[in-house]
Amino acid sequence: KQEVTQIPAALSVPEGENLVLNCSFTDSAIYNLQWFRQDPGKGLTSLLLIQSSQREQTSGRLNASLDKSSGRSTLYIAASQPGDSATYLCAVKDFLFGGSQGNLIFGKGTKLSVKP
Amino acid sequence: DTGVSQDPRHKITKRGQNVTFRCDPISEHNRLYWYRQTLGQGPEFLTYFQNEAQLEKSRLLSDRFSAERPKGSFSTLEIQRTEQGDSAMYLCASSLAGLSGPKNTEAFFGQGTRLTVV
Repeated sequence: KQEVTQIPAALSVPEGENLVLNCSFTDSAIYNLQWFRQDPGKGLTSLLLIQSSQREQTSGRLNASLDKSSGRSTLYIAASQPGDSATYLCAVKDFLFGGSQGNLIFGKGTKLSVKP
Repeated sequence: DTGVSQDPRHKITKRGQNVTFRCDPISEHNRLYWYRQTLGQGPEFLTYFQNEAQLEKSRLLSDRFSAERPKGSFSTLEIQRTEQGDSAMYLCASSLAGLSGPKNTEAFFGQGTRLTVV
């Protein structure tokens, strides 16, 4: 059964710092991995989607990498801003539970706080 | 149509009452998913539709839960005889599955419906 773990559970950094959020998954047979942002009490906003054949994706100050063989992904945020404060979730779509059905399996998220 | 829309955003109900939530997916998306999220946890899959067909249901979806997508467009999720343990955020997502299958498509989520059972 696929399990997704995110470390750390919470992170507090001063504004302007570069930071890395980690995501690991137990079964490397995945279709893709998606990073989301969730503000308190709100839904999920898709940030980046990495296909299983890709190593990384970039969008603005965000860069996500994928190492499928080791079951790891990182989300790099450059020059963090207070507006980046939110919970960041990673999710994988795998061949077994998620496979043909296309469901996502989520980690519990990393709660990021960027202090001015 | 700029995204997935869910209604209501918040619902407070007494234990034992029935509630119904609505989700309007992105218009061209043929796949629609329901997830449930409790505090401090990631979303957990409940069920999904391809067009109007409900293709899979999680074991989390007890017989008090029913979902429909009658015309392959919007979907409803009904919870009968609500219990306090049903209190959660209910999230809807949609994606587009093409001829090559759903494997590499991006999922887009709505703002969710926050249910509180008192």
